[in-house]
Amino acid sequence: AQRVTQPEKLLSVFKGAPVELKCNYSYSGSPELFWYVQYSRQRLQLLLRHISRESIKGFTADLNKGETSFHLKKPFAQEEDSAMYYCALASGSARQLTFGSGTQLTVLP
Amino acid sequence: EAGVAQSPRYKIIEKRQSVAFWCNPISGHATLYWYQQILGQGPKLLIQFQNNGVVDDSQLPKDRFSAERLKGVDSTLKIQPAKLEDSAVYLCASSPRAQETQYFGPGTRLLVL
Repeated sequence: AQRVTQPEKLLSVFKGAPVELKCNYSYSGSPELFWYVQYSRQRLQLLLRHISRESIKGFTADLNKGETSFHLKKPFAQEEDSAMYYCALASGSARQLTFGSGTQLTVLP
Repeated sequence: EAGVAQSPRYKIIEKRQSVAFWCNPISGHATLYWYQQILGQGPKLLIQFQNNGVVDDSQLPKDRFSAERLKGVDSTLKIQPAKLEDSAVYLCASSPRAQETQYFGPGTRLLVL
């Protein structure tokens, strides 16, 4: 069965510092991974997906099949990046999403 | 474009009572999802519809949960009877097709006393 692990429930960094949110997965098939974000009082929304290989709001994530990881990175954190971040894995014929338990990122001034 | 709508936003009931949640997806979206998010956890898929047919309901506790999407548009999720462990946020999401980006509603926060 597929599984997504986010080892850090809480992460605090100072503004301008680099940030990395960790995500590890287990899945026997070809993985398709996503990062979703939920800002305070807003809906859960897609941040980025690995197949797009794009940078969104300065965030990037690289799929490492050898380490089964999909860590989210940003070189210079901003206060507006404070939010809950969820890593998710798509599996099955209909690409159902399995979410990790989330990491609450706080960027301090 | 209007987003996914859900109602009610909050609901408090006693255990063994029944409750129903409603979801109106984005117009034209064929795929609709219901998720359960317990405090401190990520969303867990309960059921996925493609138009008015069920694609996946493997994690739906069918002894007490039911869902329908009769005309392939709106959907309702029902719990009957509710248990304390059903306290959670129930999220509805929709996508144009199954493998495309999911758009989430604001959720319904359920508290079972």
